[in-house]
Amino acid sequence: EIVLTQSPGTLSLSPGERATLSCRASQSVSSSYLAWYQQKPGQAPRLLIYGASSRATGIPDRFSGSGSGTDFTLTISRLEPEDFAVYYCQQYGSSPQGLTFGGGTKVEIK
Amino acid sequence: EVQLVESGGVVVQPGGSLRLSCAASGFTFDDYTMHWVRQAPGKGLEWVSLISWDGGSTYYADSVKGRFTISRDNSKNSLYLQMNSLRTEDTALYYCAKDAGGGRTQYYFDYWGQGTLVTVSS
Repeated sequence: EIVLTQSPGTLSLSPGERATLSCRASQSVSSSYLAWYQQKPGQAPRLLIYGASSRATGIPDRFSGSGSGTDFTLTISRLEPEDFAVYYCQQYGSSPQGLTFGGGTKVEIK
Repeated sequence: EVQLVESGGVVVQPGGSLRLSCAASGFTFDDYTMHWVRQAPGKGLEWVSLISWDGGSTYYADSVKGRFTISRDNSKNSLYLQMNSLRTEDTALYYCAKDAGGGRTQYYFDYWGQGTLVTVSS
């Protein structure tokens, strides 16, 4: 099973600042099969990024994904008030039973 | 508009059984693989199970294998999760999620329901 480790656990930033979230895999994630989700309190997760760098429908271009192999990054170029949330990475390249999520990074208002 | 509405979550005793349902609308249900994903209170996300568009293929996380059964009724646009031999560690919000692929499973989730809460407690 591929283990995804997200860092930092919590990121304290101000609106307008840049957020850089890391997701590291214990083994190479094949073909960049990595997704990112945003979850706000009391809400279901929302797909942001798939294929490591492709934005999902309706996602603002301040969100970008990058990386390959074992190291992936979600960047929010300028934080808007609605971006403060928990972010999860998920890999899906190994096998159906091997679908795993990272532990999440909370982006909070400083 | 895609909608996924889960139901069936209740408080159940350890060792008990429960069946969750998910009613889907706004897309061609039988074109897509469907998933269940859960989230324990205050914790992260855990994939539970998937079922192919025709029900012919099913997969489970090791934590639920042999206890949970996923199924679907395409005539009713509905997804189910039969949960047996429930344990306290199965306590979670259970989400129904649509696979992003059409025609080929992509193994990531483009739409989620709001979840149904299962509490396993004596």
